[in-house]
Amino acid sequence: NAGVTQTPKFQVLKTGQSMTLQCAQDMNHEYMSWYRQDPGMGLRLIHYSVGAGITDQGEVPNGYNVSRSTTEDFPLRLLSAAPSQTSVYFCASRHRLAGGPSYNEQFFGPGTRLTVL
Amino acid sequence: SQQGEEDPQALSIQEGENATMNCSYKTSINNLQWYRQNSGRGLVHLILIRSNEREKHSGRLRVTLDTSKKSSSLLITASRAADTASYFCATDTSMEYGNKLVFGAGTILRVKS
Repeated sequence: NAGVTQTPKFQVLKTGQSMTLQCAQDMNHEYMSWYRQDPGMGLRLIHYSVGAGITDQGEVPNGYNVSRSTTEDFPLRLLSAAPSQTSVYFCASRHRLAGGPSYNEQFFGPGTRLTVL
Repeated sequence: SQQGEEDPQALSIQEGENATMNCSYKTSINNLQWYRQNSGRGLVHLILIRSNEREKHSGRLRVTLDTSKKSSSLLITASRAADTASYFCATDTSMEYGNKLVFGAGTILRVKS
C-alpha cells in the first residue's frame, strides 16, 4: 500500500492564483482530512470528510474548498491564494473503529509545502 | 482555538532520563491520541487511549488519561537521542457530521547524548 499520498511536494503561488492540492489514500478509509501547520501553531484542521459526498468545516476553513466524490481522493482547493496561506499542508485518513462512534489512528501524508508571494 | 494544549512547550533532557509531556483539553472526547513528528516530516501515530481507559502502555511509552481533569500525560522512559522530535496530543470529539481530530501546539523534545 502507498498509504496517503500528496502532490505536489512543493508549490509557489502568486497572490490571487488558485490551485488544487491533491490527496489520495489506498486504505479504503472513510475519513479524510486536511490540516495546515504553521511554526509554533501545531496542526489546525481545515476541512474533513466522513465519506464520499460528505464534508464539513474544521477550525480554519476560510479560503479553502473541498469535495469528496470518491473514497480515495480528497482534493483541497485554494480559491484565491493569499500570503497568509503560506504553510505546510497535511492530508490524513483514518478508519472507523468497530462498534463505536470514534475512529482509529490517523495516517498522514508527507505534506505539501506552499509559499504564496 | 485548538482543543489540546501541551505543556511544556519545549523540554531538554539527557539520554537515559524520562520525559513527561502533558496535554489539557476543553470538551468531552471519544479518545485522545499522541503523535510524533520529526523535523520536516509527517506525523506518526504513537498511542490511542479511549475515554473509558485510564492508562495505556506501548514499549517505552506510558499514557494516562484523567477525564475529570480533562488532561493526559505522555511519559517516555529511558529516552534516547532518536526520541528527539515534536510530540502532539490530539482529541477526537463527536460532531454532527462525524468526528473531529484536533491537535495541540505540541512539545518539542530534545534528548542530548
